[in-house]
Amino acid sequence: AQSVAQPEDQVNVAEGNPLTVKCTYSVSGNPYLFWYVQYPNRGLQFLLKYITGDNLVKGSYGFEAEFNKSQTSFHLKKPSALVSDSALYFCAVRDRDSNYQLIWGAGTKLIIKP
Amino acid sequence: DSGVTQTPKHLITATGQRVTLRCSPRSGDLSVYWYQQSLDQGLQFLIQYYNGEERAKGNILERFSAQQFPDLHSELNLSSLELGDSALYFCASSPGTSGKNSYEQYFGPGTRLTVT
Repeated sequence: AQSVAQPEDQVNVAEGNPLTVKCTYSVSGNPYLFWYVQYPNRGLQFLLKYITGDNLVKGSYGFEAEFNKSQTSFHLKKPSALVSDSALYFCAVRDRDSNYQLIWGAGTKLIIKP
Repeated sequence: DSGVTQTPKHLITATGQRVTLRCSPRSGDLSVYWYQQSLDQGLQFLIQYYNGEERAKGNILERFSAQQFPDLHSELNLSSLELGDSALYFCASSPGTSGKNSYEQYFGPGTRLTVT
């Protein structure tokens, strides 16, 4: 079965420090991977995706993610965190057995402290 | 603004009642997805429609049903409501056709349902 895991319920980072939000996946075949962000009382917003090509993907708001096939990971990163980055982050992987359906991680709450 | 609209924004109703949530996808998107987000349960996929037909089913209760109309808007019907149905309900849409952008989902602002 295809799955995605976000091993940390919460990540705390000081403002200005680099941040990493972890995501690992399990799929048969080549994955399509996504990161979404949810600010309080808002819907999810698309951040970035990996379909093919360069393993380092750049997205919105200065975020990037690195696809690592050997470790089946797709960690979200940002060199310097902002307080406004505090939000809930979801990783998702495409389910090849279900047309256009995404399999979602449980979400990681990112807290950036001033 | 994602281009996906949902109405109403808030809904308060009593147990045992029935409600209908409405979603209009982005212009040109053929796929519509419904999700439930409860406080402690993350994002739960309920059901997907593609161009009027049911495409995939997730953890959707028998008390819940959905449909997608010819103009591509979708409705989620929740009946015999229970306290545990209180949650945020999101609709998302995607192009649903082949191509690199076909799997990106664009979310609406959600409907907050409170069952009392």
